[in-house]
Parts: sequence; C-alpha cells; structure tokens
Amino acid sequence: DADVTQTPRNRITKTGKRIMLECSQTKGHDRMYWYRQDPGLGLRLIYYSFDVKDINKGEISDGYSVSRQAQAKFSLSLESAIPNQTALYFCATSDFGRPYEQYFGPGTRLTVT
Amino acid sequence: QKEVEQNSGPLSVPEGAIASLNCTYSDRGSQSFFWYRQYSGKSPELIMSIYSNGDKEDGRFTAQLNKASQYVSLLIRDSQPSDSATYLCAVNKRGGGGADGLTFGKGTHLIIQP
Repeated sequence: DADVTQTPRNRITKTGKRIMLECSQTKGHDRMYWYRQDPGLGLRLIYYSFDVKDINKGEISDGYSVSRQAQAKFSLSLESAIPNQTALYFCATSDFGRPYEQYFGPGTRLTVT
Repeated sequence: QKEVEQNSGPLSVPEGAIASLNCTYSDRGSQSFFWYRQYSGKSPELIMSIYSNGDKEDGRFTAQLNKASQYVSLLIRDSQPSDSATYLCAVNKRGGGGADGLTFGKGTHLIIQP
C-alpha cells in the first residue's frame, strides 16, 4: 500500500539538542507538509513544500527548519530544541490535482526535557 | 473570530442514532472543506471532502455545506462504538502571502454509547 512513514515514532531529547524528524512517502505525491499538534491548540502548519525546489513557511516556523531531499522525503529539524516544542508531529502529503486532500503519517511524539 | 470553529464536546450519542457534528469558518473565499477522523494517539484520517453547496453522502457519512452561512456539518447515521473519535473540520486557506494549505478546527470529541 502507498504510505506515509515517519521516523522516529517517539523521541525524548534534552533542551539545546539538535534533532531531525524524517518523513518518507510512496504515494507519489508532490506536496508535503509538517504539522504539530498540541492539546487545546489543534493542528498547526510548520512548513510545506510543493516540490523539491519549493519550501514555504507555515504559521509557526520559528525554531524549525526543513529539507526536501527528494520528492518522497521531507525532513524537519529542530536546531536547538526547547521544552515548548514538546508535541506530536505529523507529516502529510497531497497530490497536485487534489492539493487539499492531505494524507497523514503516523506521527512522531517528541518530548524535550 | 477563530478561522475554523468546532464545539470541542464531548458529544455523547447512543449507538444506532445519528451523530451531528458542526463547523463554522471565517474565510468566505474558502472552496474546499474536509472532515478528518482521529482516534486517540493516531493520525488524522480523511473521511469526507465537499466542494459545493448541498449534501454529499458516502456510506453512513453525509457532509453538508452551506457557503452562505459559512457552515459545514457531518452526519453519521447508525452510529457505532467504533465511530468514537475526535472529528476535525478542515478548510482550505488560500495563499497570497499567507500559508497555503488547510486550516484545522480543534476537533469535536464524539462518544458513541453502547
């Protein structure tokens, strides 16, 4: 089955550490997204990419960076993790023809201590 | 005004009844509307999309859209305990300097009582 995968699924790290979350997809979609989900705040868009050469900031990009290594791979980095970046992180993909029908990966639960 | 608003619930519905979930949105230019289901600890799963005014049915699910009232709803007929989840309403957010993508409501927690 075409799928969206995320690694790691769970991660505990310390304040100030650099961490990378990875997303891969076999759906053949060109668009990829990173969201974070916090209790009471819902899903919020961090970054999105329409193709390998196109990277765009979302509503909460401060403290994060991304890399689109290939059409199928989109990584999210926290250069210097802080406790308020503790959240559930989701990668999502969509196709150019139906850009808003987004399909989510299983998520990464990140805890920054 | 929040961009996409949903009652957080919990909404408790007896098994076999119709569950009605509501959502309002603020951007009159939005053209695409979605319902996602999210089980606890899992990722959101797209269950319905609707693009034009009226009703769209898919199995036990019916999405309703009223652009004039900026209102989207999801009806679940013959509710089952497996329908217990949080339902997220999502609306497209156009670019033009802002982030292009979906804006999500915070979700309604639905509980189907056996």
